[in-house]
Amino acid sequence: EEPLVQSSAEVKKPGESLRISCTTSGYSFTSYWIGWVRQMPGKGLEFMGIIYPGDSDTRYSPSFEGQITISVDRSSATAYLQWGSLKASDTAVYYCARVGATHRKAFDIWGQGTRVTVSS
Amino acid sequence: DIQMTQSPSSLSASVGDRVTITCRASQSIKSYVNWYQQKAGEAPKLLIYGASILQSGVPSRFSGSESGTDFTLTISSLQPEDFATYYCQQSSGLPPYNFGQGTKLDIK
Repeated sequence: EEPLVQSSAEVKKPGESLRISCTTSGYSFTSYWIGWVRQMPGKGLEFMGIIYPGDSDTRYSPSFEGQITISVDRSSATAYLQWGSLKASDTAVYYCARVGATHRKAFDIWGQGTRVTVSS
Repeated sequence: DIQMTQSPSSLSASVGDRVTITCRASQSIKSYVNWYQQKAGEAPKLLIYGASILQSGVPSRFSGSESGTDFTLTISSLQPEDFATYYCQQSSGLPPYNFGQGTKLDIK
């Protein structure tokens, strides 16, 4: 079983809301930070933010602060990334990734990615 | 925020070649640099963390080094499966832990 499994691809209209998920297994969910990374079509990786499921301490990149919300559900060992009002420029693949405990804060395990398409 | 300037943006090489990719940090980040490999249509994969520590399972032809604020990923002898895009990332201090712009490595 894969440690990080993300929700399926989404097609949304501008202005709609969306929440995508990252369900974890095989390790102590509350002991590792989890982050979200954006990859726009044909572009590089962008750090969005990270959350510590143990106490929900959340740190956002200034580039994304106010545009997204990162949260967790400890009962289901799931992390979420959500938007209140999508824009066409949110079209991208979004990855969740675990921050390794002994990896100098590198992302040691990645989800498979969720493709989000925002189009009218 | 700490910025990572990665070069080159693209690189053509042959199987068996030695290849180096460089990232320069905008300020001192000690050894908090990580390197990832991403193949088309796949999630990134961690290769090296802490500037020079090889992730478990990664072949020893991959290595990392640092000199001040300059960090280098070296592939000693390119294999066909190494043609991919490579990213550096800094993870010093508090977030954001920004990535470099990426280096696309393709076959000459």
